[in-house]
This record gives sequence, C-alpha cells and structure tokens, in this order.
Amino acid sequence: AQKITQTQPGMFVQEKEAVTLDCTYDTSDQSYGLFWYKQPSSGEMIFLIYQGSYDEQNATEGRYSLNFQKARKSANLVISASQLGDSAMYFCAMREGDYGQNFVFGPGTRLSVLP
Amino acid sequence: DSGVTQTPKHLITATGQRVTLRCSPRSGDLSVYWYQQSLDQGLQFLIQYYNGEERAKGNILERFSAQQFPDLHSELNLSSLELGDSALYFCATEGSTGELFFGEGSRLTVL
Repeated sequence: AQKITQTQPGMFVQEKEAVTLDCTYDTSDQSYGLFWYKQPSSGEMIFLIYQGSYDEQNATEGRYSLNFQKARKSANLVISASQLGDSAMYFCAMREGDYGQNFVFGPGTRLSVLP
Repeated sequence: DSGVTQTPKHLITATGQRVTLRCSPRSGDLSVYWYQQSLDQGLQFLIQYYNGEERAKGNILERFSAQQFPDLHSELNLSSLELGDSALYFCATEGSTGELFFGEGSRLTVL
C-alpha cells in the first residue's frame, strides 16, 4: 500500500491566490514526522515545512502552512499569496523512524502559478 | 543552500561504464542518504550511512555500491551502467527534526 498519497498530479493557481496541495498518509506508528519539499525546474529539493505527529498546532513557515488533520491522516500544504516562483513540483514525505527506508515520499504535485 | 555538496552536477557516459558520485555532508552531520529520482519512479531510497557504517538499504541494485569515509563524505559507485540508470541522484543529510537536507543532485545521462 502507498504510504503517501498525493491525488493531484497537477494544479493551477492564479498569482496572489492561496492554494492547497493535498497529502494523505498511512501509518500505524504513533510517532512520525511529515514534511513538504519543493523541487523547482532546476532540480534541487528544498525543505519547506515539518509537522510532528504530537504537535497540536499546525506548522507554519512564512507563506507555507501545514493543515494537519491527524484523525483523517492528512497533511495538506497551504501556500498563501502564490508567487510565480512557487511554480514547481511539491512532494509530501513521512518519516516513521530513524532509518532511511522509513523516510518515504509521495509522487508529487506539479503546481503552476499563472500571472 | 543546504550545505550538502554533490559532485559532479552533470555526467554523461555510455552503457557499460562505471561512474562515482560524491557527496560531502554539512559539517557535523553523521548520516548520509542516497536517493535516485527517475522520471517514472519518483524518489527512491537507495542506501543510508551513519558515521561510516551502512545503516539501511533500500532498492539499490547490486551494480551499485556506496561507502562513507572517515571524513564523512560518501561516494556512490554505479557500474555496468544501463540506459535505465539515467536519473538524478541525490544525497541528503539529516536535520534536528529529522528533515532531510538535499544536495543539488548529480544528473546522470547514460547513452
């Protein structure tokens, strides 16, 4: 079974609008971490935001916020006031433990910001 | 800038050849992770080293091998290359909350 599901292969948003990128995850662990990464066309993987499973408040980092709904096992990324530079692939990821194979990525969502 | 350095950034080679990709982690980071990103496969975990020892192995082919040296830099060796090995290869190190910081990647093209 897929550990991380991102159901939106592609999304469009108008510049200055907010956009939500969906992510659902599957785990039976109580302790885990959720992450979002951005990959622009240049190829680098940029860490955006982290949410721990025990964190009661949703994580925020500048224009990024993570809408964490633990019971629904969802960790959606919200980007406010979209900018043209936000056009990129976005990956949701989860870590269930300390070992490398327990850090898994979703298939990604390609976001295009329209002027 | 993540502080993780990968070389070379681009590499073009022929089938059957062998290449070595190098990764220098951030100062003080003991873990190194290697990932492969192909167009149709997404990000695939290959192998993890911690302080010189192999810690976890993922979908790494037998033609591939890696090691982490005493100065903590790591090398990923890819041999008997096939067209399907063309991909972006990332190394990453670990932050304080378990996040991975990635290098810029090494783009390998096998012709």
